[in-house]
Amino acid sequence: DVKVTQSSRYLVKRTGEKVFLECVQDMDHENMFWYRQDPGLGLRLIYFSYDVKMKEKGDIPEGYSVSREKKERFSLILESASTNQTSMYLCASTPITGMSTDTQYFGPGTRLTVL
Amino acid sequence: GNSVTQMEGPVTLSEEAFLTINCTYTATGYPSLFWYVQYPGEGLQLLLKATKADDKGSNKGFEATYRKETTSFHLEKGSVQVSDSAVYFCALNRLTGGGNKLTFGTGTQLKVEL
Repeated sequence: DVKVTQSSRYLVKRTGEKVFLECVQDMDHENMFWYRQDPGLGLRLIYFSYDVKMKEKGDIPEGYSVSREKKERFSLILESASTNQTSMYLCASTPITGMSTDTQYFGPGTRLTVL
Repeated sequence: GNSVTQMEGPVTLSEEAFLTINCTYTATGYPSLFWYVQYPGEGLQLLLKATKADDKGSNKGFEATYRKETTSFHLEKGSVQVSDSAVYFCALNRLTGGGNKLTFGTGTQLKVEL
């Protein structure tokens, strides 16, 4: 079974802190994604990476950065956390097969609260 | 651009009732369509998918048919159980140079009561 793990299930930080969210997948997938999930807005793509050291902005990248130094690990960084970044953060991965039906595999999510 | 519209929830049903969750999409080309489910406290997992017009995806008693003429992919189940209580997301793929990216609907919460 594919396993995507996230470093924390719950996280509480203060405004202005630098926050790292870590994601690890064990299936040698090329693509990895970071989403945030908010009530009434569904999932919105923040960043994705299709290879080590490669990244591309998603739909809402402002206030975030990412790092992918190893294939299995994709980190989301909040340089200076703000209260409007309080949300559920979901990581996902998928292989590159060229098929339009590639399944994304999700981690359990990190619920981040910024005070 | 691509978008997915789902019916708003929550949807509350009694056990063994019939379920329909509506999903319509706007897309260029011929996307693949997906339903993902999120059980309480968990991440999303794929429920079913369809790749072309008139395809029917099915899994765990759920079904959805890719209707190109109405740009719809409605989720149905004949008899829901309490264990089906979850949030359901409709999604379509977007092809990019690095692979597929999904566009999600806003999600529909389903509550099934005894």
